Amino acid sequence: KAGVTQTPRYLIKTRGQQVTLSCSPISGHRSVSWYQQTPGQGLQFLFEYFSETQRNKGNFPGRFSGRQFSNSRSEMNVSTLELGDSALYLCASSPALQGTDTQYFGPGTRLTVL
Amino acid sequence: AQSVTQLGSHVSVSEGALVLLRCNYSSSVPPYLFWYVQYPNQGLQLLLKYTTGATLVKGINGFEAEFKKSETSFHLTKPSAHMSDAAEYFCAVSPFYSSASKIIFGSGTRLSIRP
Repeated sequence: KAGVTQTPRYLIKTRGQQVTLSCSPISGHRSVSWYQQTPGQGLQFLFEYFSETQRNKGNFPGRFSGRQFSNSRSEMNVSTLELGDSALYLCASSPALQGTDTQYFGPGTRLTVL
Repeated sequence: AQSVTQLGSHVSVSEGALVLLRCNYSSSVPPYLFWYVQYPNQGLQLLLKYTTGATLVKGINGFEAEFKKSETSFHLTKPSAHMSDAAEYFCAVSPFYSSASKIIFGSGTRLSIRP
């Protein structure tokens, strides 16, 4: 089976712009979770989608949003980018909800905000 | 509420020495426990997980961890370190059988291996 894929792998944006990141889960997986990883804050949970519905949400501002399509692919959007949004964004998929099953991570999208 | 504490943000051992990475958790319900590894410029990969049953869990690459409820610990060990083990390791916890749960990750421990 192909693993979790994330596109693009690298992205450079400027403050105030918006960005959309994409994640394709492992075939058959219905849950997709998103995380932000930074040296200072570590790995922080953004949100989880399961069967096109947001099931869990972390403590991030409304500028961070996401969605999941019927084929389980997911997108994450960040509007009005700030310098502090520079991070590695990781996507993970699992067959069931993340709390009860192993998550499989993609390689991440490294976002740099200038 | 759940939380995870990884003791030591950086651990350095010699090649061939014992690897011990410490993880303590807090959970109001029986937990699922996980160890993940992250190599540079890659995502996280599951090393092992504890759900129920045997408290000593064996994972990939020769790693194992023991769930000790009385100590609320889930320390990761490997008898003999290899240079390829150099990476960042994350301990994680989620509540058992909760459909509304989300995994909580520790802050990570960077493992360095000395030749």
